[in-house]
Amino acid sequence: NAGVTQTPKFQVLKTGQSMTLQCAQDMNHEYMSWYRQDPGMGLRLIHYSVGAGITDQGEVPNGYNVSRSTTEDFPLRLLSAAPSQTSVYFCASSHRGRRGYTFGSGTRLTVV
Amino acid sequence: EDKVVQSPLSLVVHEGDTVTLNCSYEVTNFRSLLWYKQEKKAPTFLFMLTSSGIEKKSGRLSSILDKKELFSILNITATQTGDSAIYLCAVESKDEGADGLTFGKGTHLIIQP
Repeated sequence: NAGVTQTPKFQVLKTGQSMTLQCAQDMNHEYMSWYRQDPGMGLRLIHYSVGAGITDQGEVPNGYNVSRSTTEDFPLRLLSAAPSQTSVYFCASSHRGRRGYTFGSGTRLTVV
Repeated sequence: EDKVVQSPLSLVVHEGDTVTLNCSYEVTNFRSLLWYKQEKKAPTFLFMLTSSGIEKKSGRLSSILDKKELFSILNITATQTGDSAIYLCAVESKDEGADGLTFGKGTHLIIQP
């Protein structure tokens, strides 16, 4: 099925560990982005990419890295996990300026 | 800095009632305003609004944008328990380097049978 696929769905990390959240889309969308959702805070933009080889920071980029080597994939790396990074992470993609954004099903991350 | 404020933050109504959800925004170079419905998982797209005064409609849901007063409303008529969700409003800017969506905190709507 066409859409945005995120893995894993759940993850528990210890403080200081690193990991990569995967995001892949098969709709040939040029635009991809990562958000985190915290209670009472809404969704906040972490990083985004307007095409392969191009990435930029969003509102809350600290502690996260991204790369965009292909149109399809946009992984999010946590370099050294902290409890403040406990959150639900969503990846989204779109054809810019067209009918909204398509979101993945989310990754629930807990850092202990 | 772009800003989106939704009200109310939570709302409890009975099945069959009509509800109006509000979204006001500040954005330096407006491109579009989007409404999403979020149940247990990912937000799902409802409407994209770019022009003032034109109502978008889908079944019992409708939305309109006022670009002069910088707000949008989402109406749900004859509410059903399946309408219970968090409704998110977001704005998109045209500014170069200001990509992505700025979201409000959402309205948590509960429909009681």
